Amino acid sequence: ETGVTQTPRHLVMGMTNKKSLKCEQHLGHNAMYWYKQSAKKPLELMFVYSLEERVENNSVPSRFSPECPNSSHLFLHLHTLQPEDSALYLCASSPDTTWETQYFGPGTRLLVL
Amino acid sequence: AQTVTQSQPEMSVQEAETVTLSCTYDTSESDYYLFWYKQPPSRQMILVIRQEAYKQQNATENRFSVNFQKAAKSFSLKISDSQLGDAAMYFCAYRSTGTASKLTFGTGTRLQVTL
Repeated sequence: ETGVTQTPRHLVMGMTNKKSLKCEQHLGHNAMYWYKQSAKKPLELMFVYSLEERVENNSVPSRFSPECPNSSHLFLHLHTLQPEDSALYLCASSPDTTWETQYFGPGTRLLVL
Repeated sequence: AQTVTQSQPEMSVQEAETVTLSCTYDTSESDYYLFWYKQPPSRQMILVIRQEAYKQQNATENRFSVNFQKAAKSFSLKISDSQLGDAAMYFCAYRSTGTASKLTFGTGTRLQVTL
């Protein structure tokens, strides 16, 4: 499955660093999503974009800053993260936000030291 | 708010045997979607099967089938003729038809397949 790609696959950063996660979808979809997957917790929806406009922000701290320059690309900018932010960050896309099925990327495993 | 519960953190099945993974959910809505996603060690979340709540017939996809009990709010996944490649985390998920985009996931069941 290469419809949704994410880079990097692994990232280690210090609490004072600034880094960005990238997601790209090759499916012609108009909606894109960021999820956080922590150990033994359900996936948490972080952000939803529809046609490059943010339509949902689930009370995510401001140290996470999303950007959607076009419908194929989605970024998650990270700064001054905390160790508890260490998790797998998954990107997903769907034809639009009403579509019932989402297609996921392989995720970025983030470790904050 | 909707919740999804997977009460089996881990399950094990022998190759070629059948295993059933449990999922229950809580909702006050009458129409919604339910999903089973598979997440192998590669971490890519892959859709296994999908069920529309208004459909009485249980969904099937090759060796994968569901037992959808709407009144009991139960949505179990049956994997027949288990293969080594079925080893993964399996997540049950719920999506309302009335709320755009939000998937609610369970905590997952890790399935091991043994020889």
